[in-house]
Parts: sequence; C-alpha cells; structure tokens
Amino acid sequence: KAGVTQTPRYLIKTRGQQVTLSCSPISGHRSVSWYQQTPGQGLQFLFEYFSETQRNKGNFPGRFSGRQFSNSRSEMNVSTLELGDSALYLCASSPDVSPREQYFGPGTRLTVT
Amino acid sequence: ILNVEQSPQSLHVQEGDSTNFTCSFPSSNFYALHWYRWETAKSPEALFVMTLNGDEKKKGRISATLNTKEGYSYLYIKGSQPEDSATYLCAPYNNNDMRFGAGTRLTVKP
Repeated sequence: KAGVTQTPRYLIKTRGQQVTLSCSPISGHRSVSWYQQTPGQGLQFLFEYFSETQRNKGNFPGRFSGRQFSNSRSEMNVSTLELGDSALYLCASSPDVSPREQYFGPGTRLTVT
Repeated sequence: ILNVEQSPQSLHVQEGDSTNFTCSFPSSNFYALHWYRWETAKSPEALFVMTLNGDEKKKGRISATLNTKEGYSYLYIKGSQPEDSATYLCAPYNNNDMRFGAGTRLTVKP
C-alpha cells in the first residue's frame, strides 16, 4: 500500500500571500489530521477531517482552514501568510477517527519570507 | 489548556542499556494517549495508542504503561540499540484536544 503523500514538499511564499497544501491518505483511510511543527512551539494539532467533515480543530487563527474531499484527500489553506507560519506541515491518516493509530506523511516545508 | 510534560528532555545511553521516559498530562477528561517515535529527516512513526487505565503495550523491545488516574505514562526501551536514537513524543487526547509533549531526545551510543 502506498503511504501518505503530501505535495508540494517544499514551498517558499512571501508575506500576505496564501498557500494550499495537499495530502493524500493511505488508500481506505477516511480520517486526515494536520499538524504544524516549528522549533519554538513543537508539534501542534491543526485539525482533523473525517468523511469530509471537520471533527476537531486546534487553537489556530481562522487564517488556517482545510477541507476534505469525497476521496478522502485533504487540503489545507493558509491565507495572509505571516513569517511565523514558516514551519513543517505534516498530515496523518488513519482508518477511522481518533484515537486510532495515525500514519504520517513526509511533510511540506513552508518558508515565508 | 492541556499541559503535557515529558522528561527527561534528552538522554544519552550506551548500547545495551535499558531506559525509560515519562509523559505527564492532566487526568481529567482523558480519552487516549499516543506515543510516537520521530527520527531525524523522517516522519513520526506511531508506536502505541493507549486508552485504558493500567494498559500496558509492547512492541519488540519497547513497551509503555498508562495511568489515567494520576495522569502519566512511561515508555521503556530494553537493551537500547543505536537505531533507537530518535525523539519520542507523547500526545494525550482530552476533550477533543490533542497536544504533543516537547519530546525526549534519545541518543544511543555504540
């Protein structure tokens, strides 16, 4: 089975722009979660989607949004980028909703200049 | 706010040593606890998902215990090997809120 894939792997944007990141879960997995990892804050939970519905949301501003499609693929969008949004964004999939075991993708490294 | 503490922050052991780390979390409204292993330049790898008080899980030389009443979990590695070198993260899930600890960085010297 193919693992979780994320695109793009690396991205450079400027302040004020918006960005969309994509995550394709393992085939058959219906839950996708997104995380942000920064040196200062560690790994933080952004949101979880299951069957196209947002199940949970972490403590992030409204500039961070996401969605899930009928094929379970998920996208995450960050609008009006700030320097502090520079981070590694990881997505993870699981067959069912939390607290099931999650499988992480390689991440997207976003740099905001 | 879900405060998750892991100790120690880092640990250096010799190959063959056994070691353990601690994850402390608020015990109220506990739902589940995840342990992950994160090697440099790789993705986090799920080790265990634990839900029941007194639960004990094992995968090879790695095992974990859970005490939901007092809010802690221990991760044990028996006979550490250099390939065990990684950051070990715990993530409790309470009240639909999942928080990660800062991790324990383990280095195993050959």
